[in-house]
Amino acid sequence: SAVISQKPSRDICQRGTSLTIQCQVDSQVTMMFWYRQQPGQSLTLIATANQGSEATYESGFVIDKFPISRPNLTFSTLTVSNMSPEDSSIYLCSVATSGAYEQYFGPGTRLTVT
Amino acid sequence: KQEVTQIPAALSVPEGENLVLNCSFTDSAIYNLQWFRQDPGKGLTSLLLIQSSQREQTSGRLNASLDKSSGRSTLYIAASQPGDSATYLCAFYHRDDKIIFGKGTRLHILP
Repeated sequence: SAVISQKPSRDICQRGTSLTIQCQVDSQVTMMFWYRQQPGQSLTLIATANQGSEATYESGFVIDKFPISRPNLTFSTLTVSNMSPEDSSIYLCSVATSGAYEQYFGPGTRLTVT
Repeated sequence: KQEVTQIPAALSVPEGENLVLNCSFTDSAIYNLQWFRQDPGKGLTSLLLIQSSQREQTSGRLNASLDKSSGRSTLYIAASQPGDSATYLCAFYHRDDKIIFGKGTRLHILP
């Protein structure tokens, strides 16, 4: 397994602003993922962030809205840009061990946009 | 389209009872299946991972089984405690590297 931390744990932001969420892992991992969990819903994958390549975004998510950095094998950031109330969600990063078939999650960032 | 269904959506049981949470999936061509626990407003905690060649895994009071032919997995919780109250999510890994989550079962253990 891996120990994952996220910053901030929660934030309240105003419409139109941007927030950058950090994800730190205690070991080197190739595959990192960013998810969104809207209130009362299950997890939706935003993008896969592999070190040394551009992030791969899922349908419905675009780089201009959710830019991702992956500067090394232990760290990644997700920015939620030009926020609206519809972006209020829990944002989670995860890492994969044993290939892509076992994931471990960070504690999440609870974002509220007013 | 791959789908994961968790039944029941919510469950309340008295403390001390044994219980079973169900997860069904439509595509038998899965690799691994993983059960998670999520407390309100928090991230996911991995409980058990069943690899594609395995049929069950156990950790303490938890036991998870996997039957790929019938497209079902169960999570058995023995001697439930109030601290077990949480949402339990199952997720399976598809061969195209996608992970598909169920919507979860909200479990409430009554003291």
